[in-house]
Amino acid sequence: KQEVTQIPAALSVPEGENLVLNCSFTDSAIYNLQWFRQDPGKGLTSLLLIQSSQREQTSGRLNASLDKSSGRSTLYIAASQPGDSATYLCAVLTFGTASKLTFGTGTRLQVTL
Amino acid sequence: DADVTQTPRNRITKTGKRIMLECSQTKGHDRMYWYRQDPGLGLRLIYYSFDVKDINKGEISDGYSVSRQAQAKFSLSLESAIPNQTALYFCATSDSGTERNTIYFGEGSWLTVV
Repeated sequence: KQEVTQIPAALSVPEGENLVLNCSFTDSAIYNLQWFRQDPGKGLTSLLLIQSSQREQTSGRLNASLDKSSGRSTLYIAASQPGDSATYLCAVLTFGTASKLTFGTGTRLQVTL
Repeated sequence: DADVTQTPRNRITKTGKRIMLECSQTKGHDRMYWYRQDPGLGLRLIYYSFDVKDINKGEISDGYSVSRQAQAKFSLSLESAIPNQTALYFCATSDSGTERNTIYFGEGSWLTVV
């Protein structure tokens, strides 16, 4: 059974810092990995999707990497801003699970002025 | 307008009552999902449907039922609500025809069972 872990559970950084969020998964037979952002009381917005054959994806100040063999992904946020404050979740789509995503519990990010 | 719309957005109900959460989507996707989110537990899949005639249980389907009334509509019912079903519920959709399998979520429905 796939298990997804995100560390740390919460993170507070001052504005302007670069930061890394971590995601690990136990079954490397994945189809893809997605990073989502969730604002308080809101739905999830897909940020980046990395196919299993890819090593990284970039969108603006966000860069996500994938090391499938070690079961790890990182989300790098450059020059953090207060508007980046949210919970970030990763989710993996594992082979043989009929398109069912397995989610981590998220990292709650606070970017302070 | 949102691509994935959930109603109601917030509901307080009493133990033992029946409640339905509705979801509609305008993305033309064939696949639809219901998740619940609890603090510290992340999102867990309740039911999923790959087309109108295909309904499947997720990891926590006990106490829930679903109906796929049309390709664009997928409703979740709690036949007899209990307090531990208090959670944030999300509907989601995806398209089997795309390689990326990006999943799109609704805004969520807060359900409180008292």
